[in-house]
Amino acid sequence: DGGITQSPKYLFRKEGQNVTLSCEQNLNHDAMYWYRQDPGQGLRLIYYSQIVNDFQKGDIAEGYSVSREKKESFPLTVTSAQKNPTAFYLCASSTQAGNTDTQYFGPGTRLTVL
Amino acid sequence: LAKTTQPISMDSYEGQEVNITCSHNNIATNDYITWYQQFPSQGPRFIIQGYKTKVTNEVASLFIPADRKSSTLSLPRVSLSDTAVYYCLVGNTGGFKTIFGAGTRLFVKA
Repeated sequence: DGGITQSPKYLFRKEGQNVTLSCEQNLNHDAMYWYRQDPGQGLRLIYYSQIVNDFQKGDIAEGYSVSREKKESFPLTVTSAQKNPTAFYLCASSTQAGNTDTQYFGPGTRLTVL
Repeated sequence: LAKTTQPISMDSYEGQEVNITCSHNNIATNDYITWYQQFPSQGPRFIIQGYKTKVTNEVASLFIPADRKSSTLSLPRVSLSDTAVYYCLVGNTGGFKTIFGAGTRLFVKA
């Protein structure tokens, strides 16, 4: 089955620790994205990548880092510099990084800082 | 990027038709209108996309008036499982900047 997967589903972190969220897709999509969603809110764009070895900051990139070494993978690291990291994180992919291109979302990772 | 305005929430009953309207007064000539559906603790899912007039698929219809300053997502005969948040997005292929607002929370009652 083609799709996009995220792991883990739930993640707990102590303050001051870095943590990496995994995102993998086998849809052969060039573009991948990371969003953050807080309770009752919409999605906010953290980073996106249009092609391997290239990525751009979204609206709330501070305290986060990404890499795109492979087409299938787009891991997100939440660093200790992110002051309020507790949230629901969603990864998505699309054929191209255009506003008309349908984004396919993963199941999400819920991060809680203890 | 065109800003969108949607109702915060709507209630309906099973079997009714639900219409959710999105305002996008400063939509650009090349902009398309896309709707997504999100269930709790899941990622959004594409529902429908259109540019003008009417688009219909197996899930919903999208009505866009001639001035394109608004659009209406129509869900026929909703069921309890249609309870979700619905997002309206407006944009074009030139560059990328997706904005998911707070969306419209639809509650379907038995």
